[in-house]
Amino acid sequence: TQLLKQSPQFLSIQEGENLTVYCNSSSVFSSLQWYRQEPGEGPVLLVTVVTGGEVKKLKRLTFQFGDARKDSSLHITAAQPGDTGLYLCAGAKWNDMRFGAGTRLTVKP
Amino acid sequence: DAGITQSPRHKVTETGTPVTLRCHQTENHRYMYWYRQDPGHGLRLIHYSYGVKDTDKGEVSDGYSVSRSKTEDFLLTLESATSSQTSVYFCAISWTGENGNTIYFGEGSWLTVV
Repeated sequence: TQLLKQSPQFLSIQEGENLTVYCNSSSVFSSLQWYRQEPGEGPVLLVTVVTGGEVKKLKRLTFQFGDARKDSSLHITAAQPGDTGLYLCAGAKWNDMRFGAGTRLTVKP
Repeated sequence: DAGITQSPRHKVTETGTPVTLRCHQTENHRYMYWYRQDPGHGLRLIHYSYGVKDTDKGEVSDGYSVSRSKTEDFLLTLESATSSQTSVYFCAISWTGENGNTIYFGEGSWLTVV
């Protein structure tokens, strides 16, 4: 059973569209992280959110941590083909880090 | 760059043979992890280490053992490889900063058990 559920599992959109992916859990985490992974490589950290309700922006990417620190969302504005990849969320409890199964995003030119 | 090197990067082995994957780090981090990544399951923790000779099991530890005789090296051993252990294996280190615990991954080791 996945502790963190990500939705959707797959998303295929056209360049320029906006999108939101979700990461949900019934557990409370001390922090939550988003990673992006490209084929043949390891996941690369995008952002860490720590405080309930926190919003962080990274260029066209907006990350939000739920008030109860159980869920998070990633919103991409005006998606580009370079955004294509697997997006993973991970929740931390002390040194135990649990990952969702990921959202595979394809942005078509 | 967290200075993590995994070897081998790719390996094909036969069922029943032992296999050892090596993770080497250059930053003297205390915590090291081994994950496997499979479609539909995401990354699952196999074992982790919190210091030299200090290791503990993760959520999918059956069939795997680990050793850490030096801070910089964390070895993952499949005692007798099975086809269900065909996967991509990622080593990781964690670093605790102002944003809490952050994990950095190596580039992965692709293992095929035939």
